[in-house]
Amino acid sequence: GQNIDQPTEMTATEGAIVQINCTYQTSGFNGLFWYQQHAGEAPTFLSYNVLDGLEEKGRFSSFLSRSKGYSYLLLKELQMKDSASYLCAASGGYQKVTFGTGTKLQVIP
Amino acid sequence: KAGVTQTPRYLIKTRGQQVTLSCSPISGHRSVSWYQQTPGQGLQFLFEYFSETQRNKGNFPGRFSGRQFSNSRSEMNVSTLELGDSALYLCASSLDALGSGANVLTFGAGSRLTVL
Repeated sequence: GQNIDQPTEMTATEGAIVQINCTYQTSGFNGLFWYQQHAGEAPTFLSYNVLDGLEEKGRFSSFLSRSKGYSYLLLKELQMKDSASYLCAASGGYQKVTFGTGTKLQVIP
Repeated sequence: KAGVTQTPRYLIKTRGQQVTLSCSPISGHRSVSWYQQTPGQGLQFLFEYFSETQRNKGNFPGRFSGRQFSNSRSEMNVSTLELGDSALYLCASSLDALGSGANVLTFGAGSRLTVL
């Protein structure tokens, strides 16, 4: 089976840095996705990590440690528009992507 | 190019009825996955289709079924609706050109089902 844990809610200040952690236990693990979902909208792709290490994409970076079953999403220079839910998801083969319940991030002025 | 299209966007049904939801994937995408999203459970995997074949299935009762057509369009059906089936049903497509499974999902806007 698959189990993914991430914090339910986080609050951070505009301009700051926030790290959203995700731990996973899964069989047949291929890689780890991060998606962003604004309220009332569909999830949109942020990053996909297959190998251990940090992948940077503009203000967003994602890290993966396969041996520890651990990932994090790092958001820098937070903007109000970053207020959204961030979904950690493990890919277990043939598109069986299992999502965590999501971390609702609130960015405050 | 057009994104993933789901119809209908909103619908209301009563207990015991059945419902069919439709999903048109991005042109060229051969894999279609379905998810149920509720506030408490998050995104729950229903099933995934590739080239008209169900490759993966989540832990939902047999009342939930789906199919994929030769043009990659997909439908899911829920029979004997229960109050707990009220949710946002999301469809996602991916290219999966090699059939390996590890591709980015592009989601549709969803079909919001309310069961009274």
